[in-house]
Amino acid sequence: QQQVKQSPQSLIVQKGGISIINCAYENTAFDYFPWYQQFPGKGPALLIAIRPDVSEKKEGRFTISFNKSAKQFSLHIMDSQPGDSATYFCAASNTGNQFYFGTGTSLTVIP
Amino acid sequence: GAVVSQHPSWVICKSGTSVKIECRSLDFQATTMFWYRQFPKQSLMLMATSNEGSKATYEQGVEKDKFLINHASLTLSTLTVTSAHPEDSSFYICSAKFGGYEQYFGPGTRLTVT
Repeated sequence: QQQVKQSPQSLIVQKGGISIINCAYENTAFDYFPWYQQFPGKGPALLIAIRPDVSEKKEGRFTISFNKSAKQFSLHIMDSQPGDSATYFCAASNTGNQFYFGTGTSLTVIP
Repeated sequence: GAVVSQHPSWVICKSGTSVKIECRSLDFQATTMFWYRQFPKQSLMLMATSNEGSKATYEQGVEKDKFLINHASLTLSTLTVTSAHPEDSSFYICSAKFGGYEQYFGPGTRLTVT
């Protein structure tokens, strides 16, 4: 059973546009929701994370929106750049040990 | 800060041999380290969780006798793939934490078994 569902599987955005990736979860015990960026042949790098006590967190061009009642959270990449082209994974955890990852979104930003 | 390294980054071995992958936290002491496996264009699957000085906890379906994990110190964990077979070919990634929720990932090791 997929604990965290992620969509879309792939995304193509024009340079300067907004990239939006969505995730949904079922387990209400989850209390930590990170987003990771992964380039081919590299390990995931933490981009931004949110706890359920806030509805939004922004770091630079990256924003997490969190909807606790809907059990959904999303990553918004503003002013998308070709260098943002990578695979993005959402995850959820309730202990900090067991991370449940989404299936990943391959983002391509076209110049 | 919070840098995790892995060695080697890429290894080829023959079927039936064993290969060891090292994971080190370079600038912090890791209370817990994790090993993941990732197939091409797929998500990360947790294989095991290890704490320094204690036995690793393996996820369901992961053969503990095949994937030996040793967490010898607060900065080093090793994964040994014993009697490797072509189906063990994959991208192995470790991560480490030192308190809190954040996990910091290593760059990964590409294992190819011929």
